[in-house]
Amino acid sequence: EIVLTQSPGTLSLSPGERATLSCRASQSVTSDYLAWHQHKPGQAPRLLIYGASSRATGLPDRFSGSASGRDFTLTISKLEPEDFAVYYCQQYGTTPYTFGQGTRLEIK
Amino acid sequence: EVQLVESGGGLVQPGGSLRLSCVGSGLTISGDWMNWVRQAPGKGLEWVANINHDGNKKYYVDSVMGRFTISRDNAKNSLFLQMNSLRAEDTAVYYCAKKNDFAVWGQGAMVTVSS
Repeated sequence: EIVLTQSPGTLSLSPGERATLSCRASQSVTSDYLAWHQHKPGQAPRLLIYGASSRATGLPDRFSGSASGRDFTLTISKLEPEDFAVYYCQQYGTTPYTFGQGTRLEIK
Repeated sequence: EVQLVESGGGLVQPGGSLRLSCVGSGLTISGDWMNWVRQAPGKGLEWVANINHDGNKKYYVDSVMGRFTISRDNAKNSLFLQMNSLRAEDTAVYYCAKKNDFAVWGQGAMVTVSS
């Protein structure tokens, strides 16, 4: 199975700052079928990015995704208070689909 | 409102069975792959199973193979997960999610396996 390793485990930043979250795959992800999801306690997870770099419908353009080989990045250009949550990368190119262990983005 | 709504969770003894349902509201699931994902207490997300649009392709994570069965009824806009031989480690919130890229998620149903 494809193992996704996210870093850092926790990211402490202030509103207005830039956040960079990383996800490394243990092997190539088919057709860059890599997604990023945001998850807040007690809520449904939310798709942010699919296909490594395509924004989900209605997602603010401060969110962006990129890929370089087996390395994937989610960037939030200017943090808003509602952006503090746990973020997961996920590959859906090969079963079993797998998630990274998550990055907790917390308010500094 | 466009949403997926799970039901059927609860408390069950080890070795018992439970059937989860997921119904589309304001959206149709009939043309899409559908998924089940779970989150154990204090843990991350784990993909459990998926099914193609007409139900003739199904895939599972190894840990549930032979115990869980995913199915769907497109006429009822519904997805199901039959869970048998439940173990303590199956305790989790179970989410359904629509499409291969998990474009829409439900709110989740809590399953607790305990004596």
